[in-house]
Amino acid sequence: RKEVEQDPGPFNVPEGATVAFNCTYSNSASQSFFWYRQDCRKEPKLLMSVYSSGNEDGRFTAQLNRASQYISLLIRDSKLSDSATYLCVVNGGYSTLTFGKGTMLLVSP
Amino acid sequence: DGGITQSPKYLFRKEGQNVTLSCEQNLNHDAMYWYRQDPGQGLRLIYYSQIVNDFQKGDIAEGYSVSREKKESFPLTVTSAQKNPTAFYLCASKEDPGGDTQYFGPGTRLTVL
Repeated sequence: RKEVEQDPGPFNVPEGATVAFNCTYSNSASQSFFWYRQDCRKEPKLLMSVYSSGNEDGRFTAQLNRASQYISLLIRDSKLSDSATYLCVVNGGYSTLTFGKGTMLLVSP
Repeated sequence: DGGITQSPKYLFRKEGQNVTLSCEQNLNHDAMYWYRQDPGQGLRLIYYSQIVNDFQKGDIAEGYSVSREKKESFPLTVTSAQKNPTAFYLCASKEDPGGDTQYFGPGTRLTVL
């Protein structure tokens, strides 16, 4: 049962590139959506929540399409420090979250 | 400093032994969670608790047990019944009610020898 699916990756991009991650979810009743960032061997950290109208935080833009049950994350002007695994997360009911497997991003000089 | 602490960071145990992982938070959050992460896999929910003295099984509760005697603490015991206990264990918490954002501790890496 795959409830949150992400691009398998890894994505290898040069510094300064724009990269987009895609995610689909199966639970049409989900109401909350997030992108988390996880560095190697560390805990996940909230990158941004995703709102229906789309939202932007600096170089990061998140979009939600409820009809298609699709979430995206766009990173502009990639930095070396953006190298990490990006987790798509959807609320799963009863105060729980469902995590995708993540997409690894490697930004090279 | 407010946050979530987990100890120990690394833990080794022999097959057949029970082991307890600690999770403490001083964020005054009501809800706490335990996840397991295996290499190349997403986080899977083991147990969660929305209030003191109450907890619910997650997707992979078999071979694990928890307690929630205090709001700040949610220890996880990995029992000898857990067939593949080697993994990265993550504890999280969130305000409940009040949004779905969960905040994670630094994790405990358990290796069964």
